[in-house]
Amino acid sequence: EIVLTQSPATLSLSPGERATLSCGASQSVSSSYLAWYQQKPGLAPRLLIYDASSRATGIPDRFSGSGSGTDFTLTISRLEPEDFAVYYCQQYGSSPPITFGQGTRLEIK
Amino acid sequence: QVQLVQSGAEVKKPGASVKVSCKASGYTFTGYYMHWVRQAPGQGLEWMGRINPNSGGTNYAQKFQGRVTMTRDTSISTAYMELSRLRSDDTAVYYCVAEAAAGFDYWGQGTLVTVSS
Repeated sequence: EIVLTQSPATLSLSPGERATLSCGASQSVSSSYLAWYQQKPGLAPRLLIYDASSRATGIPDRFSGSGSGTDFTLTISRLEPEDFAVYYCQQYGSSPPITFGQGTRLEIK
Repeated sequence: QVQLVQSGAEVKKPGASVKVSCKASGYTFTGYYMHWVRQAPGQGLEWMGRINPNSGGTNYAQKFQGRVTMTRDTSISTAYMELSRLRSDDTAVYYCVAEAAAGFDYWGQGTLVTVSS
């Protein structure tokens, strides 16, 4: 099973700043099958990025994903007030099990 | 548009079973894998398994092997997740998720299952 470790656990920034969230995998993620989700309180997660760097439908271009192998990054270029939430990475490889990181909480400074 | 509508909240006693339903609309039900993900209060996301609605084939996370059963009824475009021998640490919101292309595209609204004596 691939273990995903996200850092930092909590990130405190102000609107307008740039956010960089990291996700490290215990072994290489095949074909960059790595996704990022945003979750707000009381709601289901929302897919932001799939295949490490492709934006999902309707996701603003201030969200971008990068990386391959065992190191992946989600970047939010200029934070909007609605971006403060919890973010999860997920690997969905070529076969189960599918695993999630433990999450990064992005909070307003 | 794609919609996944889950059954309502449940309260169960330890040792009981719970069966959560997920009715899909807006797409061909047999075309997308259906996954189940749970989230304990204040915790992260945990993948439980998936079902191929076309074949009925399943893959379960090792942690839930022997306790979880995922089924589907294609005639009514509905997937089911049954979890048996419930414990207090099974208290969580359970989500069904349709995997359309890559990643988990479409999520149900979640079903809160509370296990308490």
